[in-house]
Amino acid sequence: KNQVEQSPQSLIILEGKNCTLQCNYTVSPFSNLRWYKQDTGRGPVSLTIMTFSENTKSNGRYTATLDADTKQSSLHITASQLSDSASYICVVTNTGNQFYFGTGTSLTVIP
Amino acid sequence: EAGVAQSPRYKIIEKRQSVAFWCNPISGHATLYWYQQILGQGPKLLIQFQNNGVVDDSQLPKDRFSAERLKGVDSTLKIQPAKLEDSAVYLCASSPSGSTDTQYFGPGTRLTVL
Repeated sequence: KNQVEQSPQSLIILEGKNCTLQCNYTVSPFSNLRWYKQDTGRGPVSLTIMTFSENTKSNGRYTATLDADTKQSSLHITASQLSDSASYICVVTNTGNQFYFGTGTSLTVIP
Repeated sequence: EAGVAQSPRYKIIEKRQSVAFWCNPISGHATLYWYQQILGQGPKLLIQFQNNGVVDDSQLPKDRFSAERLKGVDSTLKIQPAKLEDSAVYLCASSPSGSTDTQYFGPGTRLTVL
């Protein structure tokens, strides 16, 4: 069964600290993996996209990694800011262009 | 460049009533998606259009939900009759050509069914 699981479900960190969010998937055959950021009351916004051959991709303070062998991805946020408070959603697409959403990790950054 | 527009932003109805949502995708985007996002969950794809044709509607509850994109541009999603469990945010997204492209999401319509 094609699934995308994210952990932790929620996370609270102090401003300026780093954090790492996890995404494990069973989607096969794999095409690409995206991380989205969803602010409260808004639609998701794409942060990164990685294909099978890519194992790291950065977007400012966001760095995503992909291990296609273990079917795991992580999103690392460096020097967190209050504006990073949001839900982060992992989406995996298979080669048939079907995509599977994780349930997201809710991140709260406190001063 | 204008983003994906949705209206209304909020809607409150009683169960068994009907409701319709409207979406205007980014100009030139061929693919349009409707998602249902229940509080605390990730978005669930309801229907995907490529121009004015349906690509995937396997998770659309067709007994009560319908969607159309008649001219291959804007789209409407209708629920008739609504149930309590339909309370959710309905997100519209568009992409330039297909599922491999990045999707651009609208702000969503928050539906509350009483």
